[in-house]
Amino acid sequence: DGGITQSPKYLFRKEGQNVTLSCEQNLNHDAMYWYRQDPGQGLRLIYYSQIVNDFQKGDIAEGYSVSREKKESFPLTVTSAQKNPTAFYLCASSAGLNEQFFGPGTRLTVL
Amino acid sequence: GEDVEQSLFLSVREGDSSVINCTYTDSSSTYLYWYKQEPGAGLQLLTYIFSNMDMKQDQRLTVLLNKKDKHLSLRIADTQTGDSAIYFCAENPARGNTPLVFGKGTRLSVIA
Repeated sequence: DGGITQSPKYLFRKEGQNVTLSCEQNLNHDAMYWYRQDPGQGLRLIYYSQIVNDFQKGDIAEGYSVSREKKESFPLTVTSAQKNPTAFYLCASSAGLNEQFFGPGTRLTVL
Repeated sequence: GEDVEQSLFLSVREGDSSVINCTYTDSSSTYLYWYKQEPGAGLQLLTYIFSNMDMKQDQRLTVLLNKKDKHLSLRIADTQTGDSAIYFCAENPARGNTPLVFGKGTRLSVIA
């Protein structure tokens, strides 16, 4: 089955720790994205990548970092510099900058 | 700047039609999309419309596009409890090399 997987589904972090969220796709899509969703809020773009070894900041990149070493993978690291990281994180991919296909999400909670 | 706007809430009775509205800003957008998000899940692409179309129908879903007013709507016929979800409108800005711009989403509640 082709699709996007995110792991883990739930993640707990202590304050001051970095954590990495995984996103993998086997759709052969060039572009991948990370969004943050807070309760009652829409999607806010953190980072996106249109091609391997290249990525751009979105609207709320501060406190986050990404890498794109492989076409299939776009991990997101939430660093200790992100002051309010508790949220639902969504990864997506697309063929070009067209319709995006989303993973199931990771819910991050800071303890 | 870009902004896609939607009303935040809509409540309908089971069996009635639901109409979710959206306004967008980029008159040159090539495609406009509707996504559905069920609780605790990712977004699912429901349907899309190309900018040179006025209407698109897909089973219970009808998309209407008014380019002059930059207004997009999604009509769900015979709304069921399983349609309860958040619906997001998104535009594909024409200027290129820019991701989709999403609205904040409309929460549809279906009352049995």
